[in-house]
Amino acid sequence: QSALTQPPSASGSPGQSVTISCTGTSSDVGGYKFVSWFQQHPGKAPKLMIYEVTKRPSGVPDRFSGSKSGNTASLTVSGLQAEDEADYYCSSYGGSNNVIFGGGTKLTVL
Amino acid sequence: EVQLVESGGGLVQPGRSLRLSCAASGFTFDDYAMHWVRQAPGKGLEWVSSISWNSDRIGYADSVQGRFTISRDNAENSLYLQMNSLRAEDTALYYCAKGGAGSYWTLDYWGQGALVTVSS
Repeated sequence: QSALTQPPSASGSPGQSVTISCTGTSSDVGGYKFVSWFQQHPGKAPKLMIYEVTKRPSGVPDRFSGSKSGNTASLTVSGLQAEDEADYYCSSYGGSNNVIFGGGTKLTVL
Repeated sequence: EVQLVESGGGLVQPGRSLRLSCAASGFTFDDYAMHWVRQAPGKGLEWVSSISWNSDRIGYADSVQGRFTISRDNAENSLYLQMNSLRAEDTALYYCAKGGAGSYWTLDYWGQGALVTVSS
């Protein structure tokens, strides 16, 4: 199966909101609730930010939110802060006992 | 506190084998699925393999099917990845990740990774 499609880059100024999309198919993103978003700072391990499309793990600021419409999931970061600058990856259950990741989006805080 | 510590990485020649280990602590290991995910230098994340809590459900990416074997030892709180017939394209940082509570396909905690370099 092909990787999920994410924009390679996104940017916003401090305090602004930015939305990152993640497009798959009806066999993955559109067919299941198991969409997650991960934040990865340089040299660090990925950190779970959103799971099951909209849920936030304990400790993740409520500035981070997730949604899904059809075959496209989205991550919105509100009130951008300097520490939000990182790579963001989406993932989805692939429907065949597998997980598919997106190619990643580099978020820059201007 | 959940801790996942990978080990066993290193430099290996093409065609040779390597076994990665992941030592888990801070949670009831045999209650959760576990996963391996890799990241080639400067590239994105790629799911490699998953194993259910009792090893009765296992999956592999097409890129490693038939060459890699995932296993676990619940008595030792350990996850393993046996990698055979290694190729240059297997060069990556290999992460061990824990499956979520009630959500097999949510990778909620990750280790720091073990670097595997395949080169002659």
